[in-house]
Formats: sequence, structure tokens, C-alpha cells
Amino acid sequence: KQEVTQIPAALSVPEGENLVLNCSFTDSAIYNLQWFRQDPGKGLTSLLLIQSSQREQTSGRLNASLDKSSGRSTLYIAASQPGDSATYLCAVWGSGYSTLTFGKGTMLLVSP
Amino acid sequence: NAGVTQTPKFQVLKTGQSMTLQCAQDMNHEYMSWYRQDPGMGLRLIHYSVGAGITDQGEVPNGYNVSRSTTEDFPLRLLSAAPSQTSVYFCASRSGAVADTQYFGPGTRLTVL
Repeated sequence: KQEVTQIPAALSVPEGENLVLNCSFTDSAIYNLQWFRQDPGKGLTSLLLIQSSQREQTSGRLNASLDKSSGRSTLYIAASQPGDSATYLCAVWGSGYSTLTFGKGTMLLVSP
Repeated sequence: NAGVTQTPKFQVLKTGQSMTLQCAQDMNHEYMSWYRQDPGMGLRLIHYSVGAGITDQGEVPNGYNVSRSTTEDFPLRLLSAAPSQTSVYFCASRSGAVADTQYFGPGTRLTVL
């Protein structure tokens, strides 16, 4: 059974810092990996999707990397802003590309 | 496009009552899923569908039924509500393309007393 772990569970940083969120998964036979953002009381918004054949994806100040062999992904946020405060969820696509397994998330607080 | 819509947004039930959570998408997506989100547990897959008429169980299917008679709709039925089903429920959809993202609805917050 696939298990996804996210470290740290919570993170508090001052505005402007660069930061890294970590995600690890137990079964390297994944299809794709996806990072989501969730604001309190809201649904999930997709940030980045990395296909299994790719090593990284970038969108603005966000960069996500994938190392399938070691079962790890990182989400790098450059020059953090208070508006980045949210919970960040990592999820991996499993067999048949039909199911997503989520980590429990990293709660990020960026203070002005 | 409205994307993925869910109704109701909030619901309170008594133990033993039944109800249906509605989910609809207007993107002609083949894949649809239901998740529940609980504190400390993350999101867990309840049921999913890979097309009209085809459904399968996820990680936590007990106490829930689904059917998919159309591409657009994927309702989740609680047969006899229990306090353990108090949760936030999310519906999601995506196309069949390998690189397509998963789109989530805004969620339904359910409380079972």
C-alpha cells in the first residue's frame, strides 16, 4: 500500500525567505506526482504536476522536483509572501493512473 | 465552465438518516472521485469512477454507495449515517490524459449527530 509522508507538518517563516517542503512515498512505481494548495475551509488547488518521466516542474516562484528512485519530491518556494500561507499537499498517482494517495500536508505560515 | 460543483455545502444529519451528496462537472471528464478529509488523517479516497457505468472502491468505501449514470454526475450516498462519517467531503474530476491535473470541488461539510 502506498504511503505518502510530508515533512515538516508545520512551518512558520518570515516574509522573503526561501523554503523547501518535503514529500516521500514508499512505492516508487508511481505514474505522476502532484502538489496542491489548500486554504482554510476551501477546496484544493493544483500547483504543479510532475510526470513520472520528468525530474522537475516550475511555475513562477514554485519549483517541484521528483526523484522516483529514492521516493522523494520537494517543493521549493522562492521569496515567500504572506499570501503563500496555506496547507500544501503532496499526492501520488497510483496504479492505472486512477487513484491519488495524499500526504497529510505541511501547514505554512508566512509572517509579514 | 463552472468546473466541479458540489451540493450542499453544509449538512447536519442524525444517526441513521440517509442522504446523497451531489457532484457535477462540466468539463467532460472521464475520471471522477470522492474523498473525505479528516483532521490528522489527510484526504482518503472513498470511491472513484473511470467512466459512465464504471465505479470502484477506494481506501474507505464502507457505508457509502456510488453510481455513475452520466459523464457529468457522480453522487455519493450515505446509506445510514454514523458519527464516524462526520467529515469534509470532496469530489474531484480529471480527463483521461496522462498529464492532466485533478480538479476539486469546494467540498461539503457533513456533521452526523
